[in-house]
Amino acid sequence: RKEVEQDPGPFNVPEGATVAFNCTYSNSASQSFFWYRQDCRKEPKLLMSVYSSGNEDGRFTAQLNRASQYISLLIRDSKLSDSATYLCVVNPGQGRGSTLGRLYFGRGTQLTVWP
Amino acid sequence: GAVVSQHPSRVICKSGTSVKIECRSLDFQATTMFWYRQFPKQSLMLMATSNEGSKATYEQGVEKDKFLINHASLTLSTLTVTSAHPEDSSFYICSVNGGSNQPQHFGDGTRLSIL
Repeated sequence: RKEVEQDPGPFNVPEGATVAFNCTYSNSASQSFFWYRQDCRKEPKLLMSVYSSGNEDGRFTAQLNRASQYISLLIRDSKLSDSATYLCVVNPGQGRGSTLGRLYFGRGTQLTVWP
Repeated sequence: GAVVSQHPSRVICKSGTSVKIECRSLDFQATTMFWYRQFPKQSLMLMATSNEGSKATYEQGVEKDKFLINHASLTLSTLTVTSAHPEDSSFYICSVNGGSNQPQHFGDGTRLSIL
């Protein structure tokens, strides 16, 4: 089983739509979680960290369910500029015999927002 | 401004050539850097963890003699793809740990094309 599983999409939505992405992770002891955004042929850029209580940054809302090992990202009022691939990223923490800071990436969910 | 500088951004060369990619941490000293590889429509896969002053730690299936890593200073790690072949064509990205449970900072990536 992969460390991080994501629906690859693609998601094609009109401007103004609300879209949600989901992600599951396999290691229940994972310590930190992030959503990154990757534009075509570019490096990943941090979109937001994901906190246990859920967090919001403008039009973006991230949720974490540790019991279900499930992470979500909600984008409201989609803009054309939101078109990108969204990566679910998990830090398993050092306790797993893993190097501190080592990240596991989902395959990414592709989003296209059309006018 | 950029936290991590990666160079070169693009390399096109003949099969059998060795290619060196540099990754510099600009804002802080990095005892650990990470090297990832991403094939088209695939997730980022960790290749190796670069450790300052000691040997790199390679992920399973990554040939250490093929992908030479040198981390001689706290601000510079290099990845050398030795005798590159077309199947080594990929997007190579380095990252620096932002701290415990903090997101990583990525370089701009190097797109390697072997003819």
